[in-house]
Amino acid sequence: DGGITQSPKYLFRKEGQNVTLSCEQNLNHDAMYWYRQDPGQGLRLIYYSQIVNDFQKGDIAEGYSVSREKKESFPLTVTSAQKNPTAFYLCASSRTGGIGQPQHFGDGTRLSIL
Amino acid sequence: QQQVKQSPQSLIVQKGGISIINCAYENTAFDYFPWYQQFPGKGPALLIAIRPDVSEKKEGRFTISFNKSAKQFSLHIMDSQPGDSATYFCGPMDSSYKLIFGSGTRLLVRP
Repeated sequence: DGGITQSPKYLFRKEGQNVTLSCEQNLNHDAMYWYRQDPGQGLRLIYYSQIVNDFQKGDIAEGYSVSREKKESFPLTVTSAQKNPTAFYLCASSRTGGIGQPQHFGDGTRLSIL
Repeated sequence: QQQVKQSPQSLIVQKGGISIINCAYENTAFDYFPWYQQFPGKGPALLIAIRPDVSEKKEGRFTISFNKSAKQFSLHIMDSQPGDSATYFCGPMDSSYKLIFGSGTRLLVRP
């Protein structure tokens, strides 16, 4: 079955530590996205990539970094500069980055501070 | 600046009733208006979407009504079922193809 796989499902970070969240898709989609979801709030865009080897900052990119070396993979690193990393992180993909393209989401990674 | 305002924050409906969730937006460049459904511990899934050239779209029990002049669109769930209990998000798309999500509506359908 085609879809988006996020791992791990739960992740704990120590102070001063960088952690990397994995996102893999087998939908052959060009565009991929990372969102952050806090309780009682909507999704906020962290980074997005419309094509391999290219990505843009979203609305809340500070303290995060990404890479897009392969079409199917878009890992997100939460750096020690992100002072409030506790949240539910969602990865999504769409066929292209154009108008009307539905985004398909993974089941998320819940990150907590130890 | 809050570009998208979603209401109500929570909603309780009896089984068989109609659930109505509203989304008001400010950016007139929005050109695609989807609704997403999210169950606890899962990612959102596209439920239904509309383009601004039509005022209404129906898919089964789900209907989007779009009012361009009022800059509002709404989701109507007819014959609401307990299985519809979830959080619903509007997420209009801006001119750079980014979805701008509302804050969500938690729907509970009582048996």
